Amino acid sequence: DSGVTQTPKHLITATGQRVTLRCSPRSGDLSVYWYQQSLDQGLQFLIQYYNGEERAKGNILERFSAQQFPDLHSELNLSSLELGDSALYFCASSDRDNGNTIYFGEGSWLTVV
Amino acid sequence: GEDVEQSLFLSVREGDSSVINCTYTDSSSTYLYWYKQEPGAGLQLLTYIFSNMDMKQDQRLTVLLNKKDKHLSLRIADTQTGDSAIYFCAESMGNDMRFGAGTRLTVKP
Repeated sequence: DSGVTQTPKHLITATGQRVTLRCSPRSGDLSVYWYQQSLDQGLQFLIQYYNGEERAKGNILERFSAQQFPDLHSELNLSSLELGDSALYFCASSDRDNGNTIYFGEGSWLTVV
Repeated sequence: GEDVEQSLFLSVREGDSSVINCTYTDSSSTYLYWYKQEPGAGLQLLTYIFSNMDMKQDQRLTVLLNKKDKHLSLRIADTQTGDSAIYFCAESMGNDMRFGAGTRLTVKP
């Protein structure tokens, strides 16, 4: 158990819908990262927050957004969902801003039908 | 190249050693990592190595780093069926971590 908690574990939704994935980082960790893992794209970095502020942006679509709240939990919002958004979405956390070790949650399986 | 590269598949017999190779992209990467992903689970940090080290050993795991060639390897001694998983190599790049596509290790009894 990495200490990073993600909900929901599984989610099935229809195209065009909007979903929110939630992440609680390890106790004391200030950085939260979001990754997308799909069969054809592998593991892709989406976005990072540190203590409530956006720190880095990767291959995140404009239809996706994220935020980190004062209690350090984070949410990833996926809107106007397409079939290709079906993937495993990981949250990870670390206690520092960069150059550090990150710990992954179990992931949220999103299936868009 | 611009990607972290790994071979996609490796099959070994139980009790043999496994060696998973990785080529990374940035010679200034500070940390290099190996993560393990079992079916239906998240990524579990196995080990990491600082870029100023050549080797790190942790029980059955040995990590070798060749900075000149930007080559990282993970050796698993006495491989067990429970080691069957996907192994990801990753490099840290500032606020980002870049992952390879993963090597699926299959251990045959």
